[in-house]
Amino acid sequence: AQSVTQLGSHVSVSEGALVLLRCNYSSSVPPYLFWYVQYPNQGLQLLLKYTTGATLVKGINGFEAEFKKSETSFHLTKPSAHMSDAAEYFCAVSEDTGGFKTIFGAGTRLFVKA
Amino acid sequence: GAGVSQSPSNKVTEKGKDVELRCDPISGHTALYWYRQSLGQGLEFLIYFQGNSAPDKSGLPSDRFSAERTGGSVSTLTIQRTQQEDSAVYLCASSSTPDRNQPQHFGDGTRLSIL
Repeated sequence: AQSVTQLGSHVSVSEGALVLLRCNYSSSVPPYLFWYVQYPNQGLQLLLKYTTGATLVKGINGFEAEFKKSETSFHLTKPSAHMSDAAEYFCAVSEDTGGFKTIFGAGTRLFVKA
Repeated sequence: GAGVSQSPSNKVTEKGKDVELRCDPISGHTALYWYRQSLGQGLEFLIYFQGNSAPDKSGLPSDRFSAERTGGSVSTLTIQRTQQEDSAVYLCASSSTPDRNQPQHFGDGTRLSIL
């Protein structure tokens, strides 16, 4: 069965500092992995996704994530945090087993300090 | 607009009443999903529609919850005899195909409050 664990329900960084949001997954088959961002009172928006090919994936707003099969991780990073990055971030995994479900992590709320 | 549209954006109702939540997916998207997001929680899958296939209702928490999708487009989630624990944000999403490499496009949700 697939599952997603996001380490840290809250992460706080200073403006300009590195952002690192951790995601580990479990999957019996090669997974498809996603990061979504949710701003207050809005739905989720896709940041980036990994399906096949290059393991370093670049997304919108300067975010990127690296798929590491050996570590079953898909951590999200951004070199320099901006105040507008403050939001909740969800990691998700979707298996290609004939089932359709995408499993979402519990989310990590990112705070950015001036 | 071109995105997923949900209505109402907010709904306050008394315990025991029935509520209907509406989702209008992106035109042409065949797959439609409903999720529930409780305060401080992740997304809880409720139900999935794909084209004319029978929906997967495995996530519905009780028989008070039901959903339908008419004409392969608009969907309505109905909660009967609401209870306080039903208070949450209900999110709808659609994707162009049910393939697992396709991202889901979300609406802004309906915030449901049961008094």
